[in-house]
Amino acid sequence: ETGVTQTPRHLVMGMTNKKSLKCEQHLGHNAMYWYKQSAKKPLELMFVYNFKEQTENNSVPSRFSPECPNSSHLFLHLHTLQPEDSALYLCASSQDPASYNEQFFGPGTRLTVL
Amino acid sequence: KQEVTQIPAALSVPEGENLVLNCSFTDSAIYNLQWFRQDPGKGLTSLLLIQSSQREQTSGRLNASLDKSSGRSTLYIAASQPGDSATYLCAVRGYSGAGSYQLTFGKGTKLSVIP
Repeated sequence: ETGVTQTPRHLVMGMTNKKSLKCEQHLGHNAMYWYKQSAKKPLELMFVYNFKEQTENNSVPSRFSPECPNSSHLFLHLHTLQPEDSALYLCASSQDPASYNEQFFGPGTRLTVL
Repeated sequence: KQEVTQIPAALSVPEGENLVLNCSFTDSAIYNLQWFRQDPGKGLTSLLLIQSSQREQTSGRLNASLDKSSGRSTLYIAASQPGDSATYLCAVRGYSGAGSYQLTFGKGTKLSVIP
């Protein structure tokens, strides 16, 4: 399989549930990203990882907990979410976080919080 | 703080027409600009990447231009087809400090090409 894959593609969860989103890239990249896309708002960068180390956290609430065990895998652990967290969560990767490198995106996980 | 605006928010054209999508950004200190396509409920597909030193990039029926000094970019689509129907997103890469280069996105232009 090539490119950036995300699972699950759709997720419905209650506010007290704990779930995880998974992202895997098969491009040999070293940087991975989580973005949030809410209705009628631009994509918002959440986290950046470079060589498994978190290099950026854009003031994301602690109910979102990222994990990057290696350069190919990225997780987003979710717990006690709010209905306003319902959104499309997109994962992306690039060779590194440097300015000139193109980012490649996965298909996203559509999350609904009840 | 960088802001990216895309006009129009939605556009409907008949098949075969040439069209232009607009993107403007407030901080001209960018490293590159990227145009993406997003189909409903799907992820983003990169269309064109223009480095700050470049004026335009072309791929097939798509041509993107960049005027960094005026904070503008356009995406020109020639001979539009129904398969071009999607939301087109513009994103600029700027330096956000501590060795980090962030992509700032616009809200997108939703294009419908009518057969």
